[in-house]
Amino acid sequence: SAVISQKPSRDICQRGTSLTIQCQVDSQVTMMFWYRQQPGQSLTLIATANQGSEATYESGFVIDKFPISRPNLTFSTLTVSNMSPEDSSIYLCSAAGETEAFFGQGTRLTVV
Amino acid sequence: EDQVTQSPEALRLQEGESSSLNCSYTVSGLRGLFWYRQDPGKGPEFLFTLYSAGEEKEKERLKATLTKKESFLHITAPKPEDSATYLCAVQLLYNFNKFYFGSGTKLNVKP
Repeated sequence: SAVISQKPSRDICQRGTSLTIQCQVDSQVTMMFWYRQQPGQSLTLIATANQGSEATYESGFVIDKFPISRPNLTFSTLTVSNMSPEDSSIYLCSAAGETEAFFGQGTRLTVV
Repeated sequence: EDQVTQSPEALRLQEGESSSLNCSYTVSGLRGLFWYRQDPGKGPEFLFTLYSAGEEKEKERLKATLTKKESFLHITAPKPEDSATYLCAVQLLYNFNKFYFGSGTKLNVKP
């Protein structure tokens, strides 16, 4: 199984600022993803992080708002840009191999 | 339209009272069905992956089964520490990057 380290674990940010979340996997994985989870809700896929190329975004999510990097097979970052209170949520990094998909502990973001 | 539905939304059990959680799916092609446990404030913890109808997997008090339309997570003689939200997700056959999550079942086991 893969161990995923995600940081920060939580942050309180001012509106209009940006926050970058880091995700480190302890082994090489094929796929990495970023999800958002609103309180009491299920997971919504933001994008697939592609190594060395632009991320693939889901409907409703755009690169200008959520720029993603994946410079190698074990590391990715998600930036939440120009934040507003509506961006308050839990952001989760996920890594998947052939038969399993694992999650980090999440970043709880509060925008004030 | 690809869709995953979990029921019930919430389930309260007495310790030792066995029950089942349901995950029904409608997808263009299923590669795998995943079950997760999520505790408050934490990321989902991987439990099982099922690939074909008739497949079963077990872990302690949990057993997951799969048919062509749905999956069940059976909990035998649950304990209070089994209290959590259980999520299922389907991975599409024609697009491995697509994982559709259900809304989860919040399980509360009373001592």
